[in-house]
Amino acid sequence: EAQVTQNPRYLITVTGKKLTVTCSQNMNHEYMSWYRQDPGLGLRQIYYSMNVEVTDKGDVPEGYKVSRKEKRNFPLILESPSPNQTSLYFCASSTLAGQLGDTQYFGPGTRLTVL
Amino acid sequence: SQKIEQNSEALNIQEGKTATLTCNYTNYSPAYLQWYRQDPGRGPVFLLLIRENEKEKRKERLKVTFDTTLKQSLFHITASQPADSATYLCALLYSSASKIIFGSGTRLSIRP
Repeated sequence: EAQVTQNPRYLITVTGKKLTVTCSQNMNHEYMSWYRQDPGLGLRQIYYSMNVEVTDKGDVPEGYKVSRKEKRNFPLILESPSPNQTSLYFCASSTLAGQLGDTQYFGPGTRLTVL
Repeated sequence: SQKIEQNSEALNIQEGKTATLTCNYTNYSPAYLQWYRQDPGRGPVFLLLIRENEKEKRKERLKVTFDTTLKQSLFHITASQPADSATYLCALLYSSASKIIFGSGTRLSIRP
């Protein structure tokens, strides 16, 4: 089954404790992206990747890091989480065959709380 | 910076009527505009894509229009059903960059 998986689905942590949220897709997609979703603000793009070893900042990259060492995986790293990073996070992937117009497939989300 | 506005936070309509949701943007017209459906606690699900050189797209009971002069896209659900109740998001994609910008969504409720 074609899917995007994220782990963990729920995470409660404390300020300053490094964490990684994993994202994996099994569709051989070139494009992968991370979003955060906050009430009233909608989905905001954090980072995206056009292919292996190619990453770029979205609209809200501060406080986040990503890496794309393999095509299927795109982990999101919070080196020193702060309470304002409490949010619902989504990973997504798509092909680039249509030059970004193609469907994005979203993961189930990770609800992160930073105390 | 580019801004997207979806007509209202919430829209309530009677079953069987046509629901019309609006997505307005400022500045430059995108190369693509997408519409997604999101149910509570779940990731968005892609519904329709329309390109800047297309005026209208249809898929079953769904129709999307794209007016680059008005800088607006309309999303219609005809013969609406309670199962159509969800939040609907529009997203703009620009060919000059790889960023994707989402609107904050409209929560649609269809009452029986």
